[in-house]
Amino acid sequence: EAGVAQSPRYKIIEKRQSVAFWCNPISGHATLYWYQQILGQGPKLLIQFQNNGVVDDSQLPKDRFSAERLKGVDSTLKIQPAKLEDSAVYLCASSSEGQGIYEQYFGPGTRLTVT
Amino acid sequence: AQSVAQPEDQVNVAEGNPLTVKCTYSVSGNPYLFWYVQYPNRGLQFLLKYITGDNLVKGSYGFEAEFNKSQTSFHLKKPSALVSDSALYFCAVRDMASGGYNKLIFGAGTRLAVHP
Repeated sequence: EAGVAQSPRYKIIEKRQSVAFWCNPISGHATLYWYQQILGQGPKLLIQFQNNGVVDDSQLPKDRFSAERLKGVDSTLKIQPAKLEDSAVYLCASSSEGQGIYEQYFGPGTRLTVT
Repeated sequence: AQSVAQPEDQVNVAEGNPLTVKCTYSVSGNPYLFWYVQYPNRGLQFLLKYITGDNLVKGSYGFEAEFNKSQTSFHLKKPSALVSDSALYFCAVRDMASGGYNKLIFGAGTRLAVHP
């Protein structure tokens, strides 16, 4: 089975520019997660979708970050405008159920550098 | 607040020797615990999980982890390390306040270096 797909793999932008990341989860997985992983730290959840609804966005900086999952399948995470501290790896993950204890499957991530 | 601690930034071990990567947690109620591994330029891969039952959990690639409730620990172990085990390891705990959704809180990670 195909894994979680993410693009682009790398992105370099200047501060105040905008950027978008795309994620396609494993087929049939209802739950999709976006994480931010800053160098030297563990992943931090930004937003969690169950189908096309948001179930947790408590740590998403909503003044600059937005995410959508319109048809309950693939998702886009946007940053506008970017700040230097947004430099990180953005990981997308999916799991098969919204409730219950199921492991999450991660994509390769997008490494963002803001200069 | 719920949290996970990985007290070692790096663990060095010789190939063929046993390895341990430490993890302690702080949660209310019974914890659901996970270990993930991250190879360079790749996403996280699931290794194993503890939900309930036997305190010794076996996972992928010969890894196992021991749940110790009295010490609030969930250490990752392997009897004989391989050079290919060199990677970044993350311990995670399910956020019990997530209302039934599988939100995970990750530790900062431990870099494992296995020397030939």
